[in-house]
Amino acid sequence: QQQVKQSPQSLIVQKGGISIINCAYENTAFDYFPWYQQFPGKGPALLIAIRPDVSEKKEGRFTISFNKSAKQFSLHIMDSQPGDSATYFCAASFSSNTGKLIFGQGTTLQVKP
Amino acid sequence: DADVTQTPRNRITKTGKRIMLECSQTKGHDRMYWYRQDPGLGLRLIYYSFDVKDINKGEISDGYSVSRQAQAKFSLSLESAIPNQTALYFCATSAGWTGELFFGEGSRLTVL
Repeated sequence: QQQVKQSPQSLIVQKGGISIINCAYENTAFDYFPWYQQFPGKGPALLIAIRPDVSEKKEGRFTISFNKSAKQFSLHIMDSQPGDSATYFCAASFSSNTGKLIFGQGTTLQVKP
Repeated sequence: DADVTQTPRNRITKTGKRIMLECSQTKGHDRMYWYRQDPGLGLRLIYYSFDVKDINKGEISDGYSVSRQAQAKFSLSLESAIPNQTALYFCATSAGWTGELFFGEGSRLTVL
């Protein structure tokens, strides 16, 4: 009920390509879905977040697509750059405590020049 | 200086030893968290605190304890460390109900 499943575990994309990372959740009461980006040796940092009242949110090259009926959401990175190489975590929580996150397993993205 | 500072950054210890990881923040946030990161498992919440007098267990609190010494300080203790507590530990803060998490740079703990 509390799990968030993330795929793929790792991803290699050519520069300029589209990176897609998928997540699925079980608890329909979740109402806050952030993505965090982590560079080696650093802590995760919030990249973008969405709430279930919208199906898509875009910030620059990063887009979250949200499918409430399927209980799935995904991160799309357009025009991927080598600087996007990092580990990405999806997560879910309740608006009443957005810090109490259930994280996915993480996806290591490598963007080749 | 980092907004969320963790010490030590790296620690190697032996089974049965007591270990304390410390976290201090200058962001002025009320809420503080301890997460553990393991490869293939993502991050899991150990404990969280809404203020100095409010401490709550997370997903995986067994074998851990915490102390909120002040609004800006939140420490994690392993009373008797065991090898499966080898992991990367992160402290984080947030402001209010809808605040994003701000993470420290992590404390890598190895228990031999």
